[in-house]
Amino acid sequence: DTEVTQTPKHLVMGMTNKKSLKCEQHMGHRAMYWYKQKAKKPPELMFVYSYEKLSINESVPSRFSPECPNSSLLNLHLHALQPEDSALYLCASSQGSQGSTDTQYFGPGTRLTVL
Amino acid sequence: AQKVTQAQTEISVVEKEDVTLDCVYETRDTTYYLFWYKQPPSGELVFLIRRNSFDEQNEISGRYSWNFQKSTSSFNFTITASQVVDSAVYFCALRGMTTDSWGKLQFGAGTQVVVTP
Repeated sequence: DTEVTQTPKHLVMGMTNKKSLKCEQHMGHRAMYWYKQKAKKPPELMFVYSYEKLSINESVPSRFSPECPNSSLLNLHLHALQPEDSALYLCASSQGSQGSTDTQYFGPGTRLTVL
Repeated sequence: AQKVTQAQTEISVVEKEDVTLDCVYETRDTTYYLFWYKQPPSGELVFLIRRNSFDEQNEISGRYSWNFQKSTSSFNFTITASQVVDSAVYFCALRGMTTDSWGKLQFGAGTQVVVTP
């Protein structure tokens, strides 16, 4: 089973709203990732959690706040977003071992529109 | 720095034709992994194949095959007898094995494959 689930599938929010994206995996993976993908572009890494600790932050603005409550869950809290933040947000997970084959498996994504 | 180049922006084929996607990469890591992912219009990135840098054996898996040549830093991917369901964007990606690079997938720009009946 290589399933990563994400909710919601679609989200429309105003610039003053606070919302959260959720990601869940039950593969026993210990690394989880958030990516942002604009139309006709490749995914861009935002954050990496390894063993529930933030290990990589790719200089993401503070209006995006990640949270990893446990090894199966990953949240992305959104606050005061801008219209240019509209994109497909993808979650991924992997075994988390540096020396392993460590393939990232992706969820279906959340399409976010900021008005 | 790592870099992945997919020079083909879009490839259009008629069903049952073969289609080959090119991928060229740059890395300073001596050990690394290469991947191909498929992204259909629904948006989900689907893992297709993985190859490590110390195994240049080329393989075939169903209608998919790949040609990894370390000497030319290329990792090309072929779909044999294409089908309409193969229409998608295909991404080549590279991941290093060092402490700094293991968590970072470096994607190419992607190649849009359009298969018409």
